[in-house]
Amino acid sequence: GQQVMQIPQYQHVQEGEDFTTYCNSSTTLSNIQWYKQRPGGHPVFLIQLVKSGEVKKQKRLTFQFGEAKKNSSLHITATQTTDVGTYFCAGPRNRDDKIIFGKGTRLHILP
Amino acid sequence: GAVVSQHPSRVICKSGTSVKIECRSLDFQATTMFWYRQFPKKSLMLMATSNEGSKATYEQGVEKDKFLINHASLTLSTLTVTSAHPEDSSFYICSATDWVHGEAFFGQGTRLTVV
Repeated sequence: GQQVMQIPQYQHVQEGEDFTTYCNSSTTLSNIQWYKQRPGGHPVFLIQLVKSGEVKKQKRLTFQFGEAKKNSSLHITATQTTDVGTYFCAGPRNRDDKIIFGKGTRLHILP
Repeated sequence: GAVVSQHPSRVICKSGTSVKIECRSLDFQATTMFWYRQFPKKSLMLMATSNEGSKATYEQGVEKDKFLINHASLTLSTLTVTSAHPEDSSFYICSATDWVHGEAFFGQGTRLTVV
């Protein structure tokens, strides 16, 4: 069936280093969404990308949607301790629009 | 590996009836589970936080008497949509965190259609 795969599963970075997580779908997505879950919290919506090749920025976060609309990335520049958490990508299933989540990337920041 | 199982995946009910959706954590205990609702082509909206052994915490604008949440055990939370109306038709999804391993998992979601 349709899958959304996310890598890496875990990432440890020194504070100030950059971080990237990648999301790949087995099929074309009409849109892709990104969520962040802080430790102890619930996943919070960050952004939605709809257009092929779209790039959006939120301060130090850069989101990209691939030209084929099958992959996406989230890049954080100069990580801070507040960036700690799990980042999920999610996309709608083609046949019925149900949303499918990637397994998430857990980001740890080393001081 | 750890999984969150949500049931049913799809349900059609008549207006005025109640529907119960189950969210089970398999292979891990979840003291907290989250319930979301998704409108077409929109992001997930957090409805409530389900706490094992205590009352759920509802987000602003979510009617607690309409959406009853029960978290009676460390592996099961239920969401009951009471006196369902067509506007309750939506996609509902739960998530739970395995605190031992620090990983979060989502259920498969439930498509509710009220006719």
